[in-house]
Amino acid sequence: GAVVSQHPSRVICKSGTSVKIECRSLDFQATTMFWYRQFPKKSLMLMATSNEGSKATYEQGVEKDKFLINHASLTLSTLTVTSAHPEDSSFYICSASSDRKEDGYTFGSGTRLTVV
Amino acid sequence: AQTVTQSQPEMSVQEAETVTLSCTYDTSESDYYLFWYKQPPSRQMILVIRQEAYKQQNATENRFSVNFQKAAKSFSLKISDSQLGDAAMYFCAYRKTGTASKLTFGTGTRLQVTL
Repeated sequence: GAVVSQHPSRVICKSGTSVKIECRSLDFQATTMFWYRQFPKKSLMLMATSNEGSKATYEQGVEKDKFLINHASLTLSTLTVTSAHPEDSSFYICSASSDRKEDGYTFGSGTRLTVV
Repeated sequence: AQTVTQSQPEMSVQEAETVTLSCTYDTSESDYYLFWYKQPPSRQMILVIRQEAYKQQNATENRFSVNFQKAAKSFSLKISDSQLGDAAMYFCAYRKTGTASKLTFGTGTRLQVTL
């Protein structure tokens, strides 16, 4: 079945630095990638939607300059948390859409970001 | 806007028993998809079952089945013969038809399975 590889699984960074999270679709073309944030014991909150070759669409309240999303190819999308602060600590998950509209989308395994 | 409501923050079931998780949603669309996702402690999101709104027949996947009531906008998940490995967070989700439409998730139900 479809697989999305997300790296890193865990990252600790210092406040003020930037962190990049990658999501790769391994056996299909991900025309659309969704990026979510999940707080402990909470649901997934959609941050942005990215389509290959175009600018990402951000949800209301999400700072586009802080959370940079790049979707330069059909198999790779990245989320960069710029100038990270402790409040950016969270669990980030990507999800990819393939051509099959009936799919429930394929999720990456998530990245736990801790900013110290 | 579409909303998904899961009114049971936590549920518990004994091993081998049956449990039903509730989900209601609100939409003005006539055609859409509904999903149940499982998130175990590893936090990997796993698709459990999906239902297409235009199909009247309830979806079934082995021990998992749904009760889809379109008029009532209800989409419950029944887990039969519960196993310890079923313990997880379960999220109900909705999306419109069409490629790349976003998923809207409920708040989740934490399922405990006891011996």
